[in-house]
Order: sequence, then structure tokens, then C-alpha cells
Amino acid sequence: NAGVTQTPKFQVLKTGQSMTLQCAQDMNHEYMSWYRQDPGMGLRLIHYSVGAGITDQGEVPNGYNVSRSTTEDFPLRLLSAAPSQTSVYFCASGASPRGIYEQYFGPGTRLTVT
Amino acid sequence: GQQVMQIPQYQHVQEGEDFTTYCNSSTTLSNIQWYKQRPGGHPVFLIQLVKSGEVKKQKRLTFQFGEAKKNSSLHITATQTTDVGTYFCAGQAAGNKLTFGGGTRVLVKP
Repeated sequence: NAGVTQTPKFQVLKTGQSMTLQCAQDMNHEYMSWYRQDPGMGLRLIHYSVGAGITDQGEVPNGYNVSRSTTEDFPLRLLSAAPSQTSVYFCASGASPRGIYEQYFGPGTRLTVT
Repeated sequence: GQQVMQIPQYQHVQEGEDFTTYCNSSTTLSNIQWYKQRPGGHPVFLIQLVKSGEVKKQKRLTFQFGEAKKNSSLHITATQTTDVGTYFCAGQAAGNKLTFGGGTRVLVKP
């Protein structure tokens, strides 16, 4: 099993550009989420999904869109990149029959917006 | 909204010594999880606590969930250089959101 994969590993964008960060998992997990981690900070939840076709906002959703058309994939779209979105983005997945259990994180995407 | 605070933010430890990091939530939690992130890496799950007053051990690591289910602690004994990294707690209250604390960055002096 590859676990949670994220592409790209690194990305540089100019202000105003849009792009999609890819996330895929092969563990058949229902729960998937996106976090951002700013230097020296904790992880802040952007969006999450409890299953295909179901998404919801986390604590910092503005400027980001998500969709969940399959169990495996959970892409994060930056609509119009801003310097404040420079961060490391982590995708995570976990089984969630009732609560949130162990989360498996991908290796992250390091995004710089100039 | 729910807030999760961790103290201390930084922990400088002499190799071989013990230390404790604390996690406090503004709301009652259904469960709390602990993760470790090595420098340049991604968070890796350590443990989950669900019951009030629960205590779990993993070798030199002891995790505790408070009676009121609003706080937790991680105690590491005989610190080793392999313990270097940032330790995060993450709590789930109502709903399907996991809220992370700011982390405790552990530096070990040999």
C-alpha cells in the first residue's frame, strides 16, 4: 500500500494563479482532510470529507475549494493564490465509523506564493 | 470555536532526563490523539485516548486523559536523541473535526 500520496511536493505560484493540490489514499478510508501548517505553527483544518460526495469546511476554508467524487481522491483547489497561502499543506485520511480515529498523513506539499 | 492549547511551546531537555508536555481544550472532548512530527516530516500518529482518566504507555512514553476530558499530558522518561521533534495533541469535540494544538518542540542536548 502506498498510503496517502500528495502531488506536487513543491510548488511556486504567482499571486492570482490557481492550482490544484492532489491527494490520494489506497486504504479505503472514509474520512479525508486537508490541513495547512505555517512555519513553527500547528496544523489548521481547511476542509474535510466523511465520504464520497460529502465535504465540509474546517477552521480556515476561505480561498480553497474541495470535492470528493471518489473514496480515494480528495483534491484541494486554490482559487486565486495569495502570499498568505504560502504554507505546507498536508492531506490526511482515516477510518471513521463513528468518531475520528488514527489519521494517516501524506508527505506534504510545500507551496510558495510570490 | 474549539481551541486546543499546548504548553510548553519549546522544551529543551538534557539526554536522560524526563519531561512532560500538556494539552488543554476549551471544550469537552470525545477523544484526544497525539502525533509526532520530525523536522521536515509529516505528523505520525502515536496514540488515541477515549475514556475519562485513561492512561496508556508506549515504552518510555506515558499518555494521560483528564477526568473531565478537557486536558491531556504526555510524559517522556529518559529522553533520547530520537525523541527530537514536535509533539502535537489533537482533540475531537462534537462533529467530525479534529483540532490540533500548537505543538511542543522538543530539543535534546546530548
